[in-house]
Amino acid sequence: TQLLEQSPQFLSIQEGENLTVYCNSSSVFSSLQWYRQEPGEGPVLLVTVVTGGEVKKLKRLTFQFGDARKDSSLHITAAQPGDTGLYLCAGFTTSGTYKYIFGTGTRLKVLA
Amino acid sequence: NAGVTQTPKFRVLKTGQSMTLLCAQDMNHEYMYWYRQDPGMGLRLIHYSVGEGTTAKGEVPDGYNVSRLKKQNFLLGLESAAPSQTSVYFCASSYALRTEAFFGQGTRLTVV
Repeated sequence: TQLLEQSPQFLSIQEGENLTVYCNSSSVFSSLQWYRQEPGEGPVLLVTVVTGGEVKKLKRLTFQFGDARKDSSLHITAAQPGDTGLYLCAGFTTSGTYKYIFGTGTRLKVLA
Repeated sequence: NAGVTQTPKFRVLKTGQSMTLLCAQDMNHEYMYWYRQDPGMGLRLIHYSVGEGTTAKGEVPDGYNVSRLKKQNFLLGLESAAPSQTSVYFCASSYALRTEAFFGQGTRLTVV
């Protein structure tokens, strides 16, 4: 059972456009992380959000954690070809056993 | 900085063959993980270790074994490879349970 669903699965946009990627779950997470993965490489951490409602900015990327800590979003302003990659959300569930779950991923392609 | 190093990077196996994937980290991290990545599935945890000499099952452990004889190394074994184990395998490590995970570059395994 996939606990973290990302949408859209694929996104192809022109340079300069804005976009939002969503990460949704029916479970509560104690924290959520966003990674970017480039072809032939492992995921690299972009940000961690911990508090419900928290907003973090990383240059043109804005990350938000839902108030109920069940969802998160990644917004990119004025996308650039360098933003191309696979974006993954991941989080720790609040259940008693260790469970770190990755989302299904959003593959972004930004065309010059 | 080496970080997390995986060997080999590519491998083709015949059904029924065995092999071992090696992961080495030079960051003195206690926690190490093995994931597999399949299209549309995100990353799924196979096994993990919370310290030297310890291992635990993750989300998809069947068909795999692991060992953590030294703190810096985490080995993933396939005793009898099956086509369903065709995937990209990633090793990761972290300082503590809920801190940033650092990933290796991955091993692309094909079982024919």
